[in-house]
Amino acid sequence: GAGVSQSPRYKVAKRGQDVALRCDPISGHVSLFWYQQALGQGPEFLTYFQNEAQLDKSGLPSDRFFAERPEGSVSTLKIQRTQQEDSAVYLCASGSPGQGNTIYFGEGSWLTVV
Amino acid sequence: EDQVTQSPEALRLQEGESSSLNCSYTVSGLRGLFWYRQDPGKGPEFLFTLYSAGEEKEKERLKATLTKKESFLHITAPKPEDSATYLCAVQGVTGFQKLVFGTGTRLLVSP
Repeated sequence: GAGVSQSPRYKVAKRGQDVALRCDPISGHVSLFWYQQALGQGPEFLTYFQNEAQLDKSGLPSDRFFAERPEGSVSTLKIQRTQQEDSAVYLCASGSPGQGNTIYFGEGSWLTVV
Repeated sequence: EDQVTQSPEALRLQEGESSSLNCSYTVSGLRGLFWYRQDPGKGPEFLFTLYSAGEEKEKERLKATLTKKESFLHITAPKPEDSATYLCAVQGVTGFQKLVFGTGTRLLVSP
């Protein structure tokens, strides 16, 4: 597709529920990132994939957060047993080394945990 | 640890009133400095990448400059449609392509 596509755009989850957020990167982009953005803050790094390999997961806040990209294209961020502090916008971004390291973001998935 | 500090936190301008936004950074080795624009409810939209001190880039009313310690985003004769949050981020030589962001400057341009 022309841009990074994320779904769902909005998700309301009850505390304790599991959620899955999907990211479809720009076609051909080998790099894929997940960021978390709280209200009024800049995006915070969660994890990075190069193709299907998860090379950096240092930003994942707890073992309740899990990301995968099994075929090197679509990625899923899963949050288990959601808690209120997980409420945030989850941004997916993709890039390609051939494009000067520029990273392009999707519109985000807004998660509210009640 | 790579860090980015943006100032001011918020800026209110009259239409046509030029100003600058500041981004101060510390990074182990700079691979690139990025400016993004973010509208409410949207993802960050790429504006510029700067790679080395002395570099400048322009797009319409925006001009980004870079020194070894900071970057400026100059806005010339802004219009109300320039109202948004402007985010600065650095990409270091370590940490793959990870971007470290500042908290942004919220710009409001009044007609």
